[in-house]
Amino acid sequence: GEDVEQSLFLSVREGDSSVINCTYTDSSSTYLYWYKQEPGAGLQLLTYIFSNMDMKQDQRLTVLLNKKDKHLSLRIADTQTGDSAIYFCAERRMDSSYKLIFGSGTRLLVRP
Amino acid sequence: DTEVTQTPKHLVMGMTNKKSLKCEQHMGHRAMYWYKQKAKKPPELMFVYSYEKLSINESVPSRFSPECPNSSLLNLHLHALQPEDSALYLCASRKYNSPLHFGNGTRLTVT
Repeated sequence: GEDVEQSLFLSVREGDSSVINCTYTDSSSTYLYWYKQEPGAGLQLLTYIFSNMDMKQDQRLTVLLNKKDKHLSLRIADTQTGDSAIYFCAERRMDSSYKLIFGSGTRLLVRP
Repeated sequence: DTEVTQTPKHLVMGMTNKKSLKCEQHMGHRAMYWYKQKAKKPPELMFVYSYEKLSINESVPSRFSPECPNSSLLNLHLHALQPEDSALYLCASRKYNSPLHFGNGTRLTVT
């Protein structure tokens, strides 16, 4: 089907690591993205990974890609209260239209 | 300038009004997008312009009319909207083979 799936909610304590998971649908997807949305704001690109990679690290963020299982994860190390937001994963389908298919979003709540 | 700027930030309009949403970027991006986002939902693609030509229309009702006057500007003209069209309207742009960059959106309320 068309769905990119994410769990709806994650709550962590400040300073812990957060892991947000995503399963996507199209094994031929070329790029997979993570966006962050704070209340009342647009989507901020956090990081992305090309489908021929299995890991990408960028400061506190680590993206893991398991192509066999079509599973993507975003790990945030040393989670801060400012990381509280909705996180969307998105896949770019392997066609010429450059359409992004978004997951339903995971709301991350960081407790002090 | 690394921003996508959307105006206005908030808009309230009646069902008989005509209004326009504006989006501007000066990053030299040649693809520009309109998305609609309802509360607690992911963004849904509406339109894509590539090199100032409409390349994707996701079966959007004709009461939404996009326009791309030049490579930096994207408008969305609104007419005879319904209350269910109330949403956050997001503009995005990208250069070739690069990620989408989003604006902060226009929060539209139709009364």
